[in-house]
Amino acid sequence: NAGVTQTPKFRVLKTGQSMTLLCAQDMNHEYMYWYRQDPGMGLRLIHYSVGEGTTAKGEVPDGYNVSRLKKQNFLLGLESAAPSQTSVYFCASSYLAGGGYEQYFGPGTRLTVT
Amino acid sequence: DAKTTQPPSMDCAEGRAANLPCNHSTISGNEYVYWYRQIHSQGPQYIIHGLKNNETNEMASLIITEDRKSSTLILPHATLRDTAVYYCIVRAANFGNEKLTFGTGTRLTIIP
Repeated sequence: NAGVTQTPKFRVLKTGQSMTLLCAQDMNHEYMYWYRQDPGMGLRLIHYSVGEGTTAKGEVPDGYNVSRLKKQNFLLGLESAAPSQTSVYFCASSYLAGGGYEQYFGPGTRLTVT
Repeated sequence: DAKTTQPPSMDCAEGRAANLPCNHSTISGNEYVYWYRQIHSQGPQYIIHGLKNNETNEMASLIITEDRKSSTLILPHATLRDTAVYYCIVRAANFGNEKLTFGTGTRLTIIP
């Protein structure tokens, strides 16, 4: 049982380049989330999904797109990377949402945009 | 979700109990108290959560005051690996409340 995994672990992009971050979970969780964490700050929700084929915006969605084609995978895309997107990205999953259901986090992807 | 207040940092001797306080004076009746920790730059790790009653699991104990306005996370026998930033989060029980609001947390340092 690997839990939540993320690929890649590190990435450096030039401004304007695109990339996709992959999150996978093997816990059969319905909900999946993408957060970003900037230095010295807490996590902020980018997008989330309440089930296969669904996505929704979080608090900082601009500049990102997501897809959930399979229940176990949640992809985060950057179409045209900007230096402001330099951050550590964490994926999480939970059985359901709301109180009483904890979120399990992946190890993170450290992205630098130059 | 209600706002939480935590001390910015704490030290604890290795082997002793670490008691981390959290104030959530505006908590409402359907809001849970969650604790997560983040070791260095790893992903946050779930520790424990509770609604009204005290809770205990293999990692920690959660003590919630009777008026629910504050709580304490207890790590019974702290080790060096418990050095981390600990986040107290209050989260409503209703479905559709997707995000966890992480504040600045308490940086706990375990002293050898």
